[in-house]
Order: sequence, then structure tokens, then C-alpha cells
Amino acid sequence: DAGVTQSPTHLIKTRGQQVTLRCSPKSGHDTVSWYQQALGQGPQFIFQYYEEEERQRGNFPDRFSGHQFPNYSSELNVNALLLGDSALYLCASRGLAITDTQYFGPGTRLTVL
Amino acid sequence: SQQGEEDPQALSIQEGENATMNCSYKTSINNLQWYRQNSGRGLVHLILIRSNEREKHSGRLRVTLDTSKKSSSLLITASRAADTASYFCATDASPSNTGKLIFGQGTTLQVKP
Repeated sequence: DAGVTQSPTHLIKTRGQQVTLRCSPKSGHDTVSWYQQALGQGPQFIFQYYEEEERQRGNFPDRFSGHQFPNYSSELNVNALLLGDSALYLCASRGLAITDTQYFGPGTRLTVL
Repeated sequence: SQQGEEDPQALSIQEGENATMNCSYKTSINNLQWYRQNSGRGLVHLILIRSNEREKHSGRLRVTLDTSKKSSSLLITASRAADTASYFCATDASPSNTGKLIFGQGTTLQVKP
């Protein structure tokens, strides 16, 4: 049973570019959340997707957008990258019918130059 | 915004000793979860305690929750060098238990062999 997977592992972009990160949830999970973790900080909630809709959103600008597909996988898109977007981006999945525990993927390390 | 405050920020102990980390939070919660993170990689779920529970055990881990004081503690007994990591508490205070987690800043634990 595969856990949460994310791709790519690492990514280097320049300011102003756009980036797409991908996440496949744990088998049986239907809810995907995205978090941003700056160096030395705890993760911060970006948004959550359920039934292909954005259900909740944290305090992040509209440059951050996402999508959930019918197979429950998800994408995080960031437009007009800033240096401050450099961080570890974590995806978490949950299946409320199964458990309220959230399981995290290994993350994507984004570096903006 | 960070809901949780963790204490201490850093902890260094000898192998075999016990390690205690504390977490305080601000609002009523559905549950509180503890995670471990090794060297900026993904978060590994350790234990979840619900708001109506006071104590839970998992192997060498013991978690307590005091909702009147809005605080939790994680005890790792008989620590090992492999326990060296950052530990985060995360609270789920979302309406309808939708699973939006708010993390503390973390405690960095070093276990010396």
C-alpha cells in the first residue's frame, strides 16, 4: 500500500516563473491538503481539496492555486514566483471515513533564485 | 499564524534518557497530533489524541492532553540516537473536523550516543 507520494523531489526556478507540484494521496484517502514549510519553521496550511473543490484556504495569496482530479490526486500551482516562495511543500492526505489522521508525503523542495 | 507553541525549542540528551516536549495551543480543538521530521524531509505521524482523551501510548511514546490548560506533552522513553529529529505538534481546530492542521514551531531533539 503506497503512502502519499509527491513529485518532483527538488525543483529550482527563477523569480517570475510558474511551478506545478504534484501529489498522489494514500490509497483510500479522498482529501488532500497542501502545506508550506519555510526553513526552521513549522508547516503552514495553504489549502485543502475535497471532491475536486477547494474546501478551505489558509492565508496565502491568489498566486497559489490548486486542483484535485477525479482520482483524488492533486496539483499545487504557484505563479509569479518570489524568492520568499522557497520552501518545502508538503502534501497530506486523509480519508475521514477511515481515520482523522493525516499522512504526509516526503515533500518537494522548491528553490527560487 | 501558529496556534501551537512548543517548549523547549531545542533539547539535547544522552541515549537511554527520557525526552519530554510540551505544546500549548490557543483555541478549542478536535484533536492534537504529533509528528516527527528528519532533516527537512516529510513528516511522520506519531500519535493522535482526541479532545476527549487524556493520555495515549504508542510503543515508547506517551502523549498527554490537558484541555483545561490547552496543553499537551510528548514523552519519549529510553531514547535512541535514531530519535534525533524535529518534533511538531499540530492541532485540528477546524469546524466540522475538516482536518486543517495548525503547527507549532517544533522542538529539535538531539540524542547523543
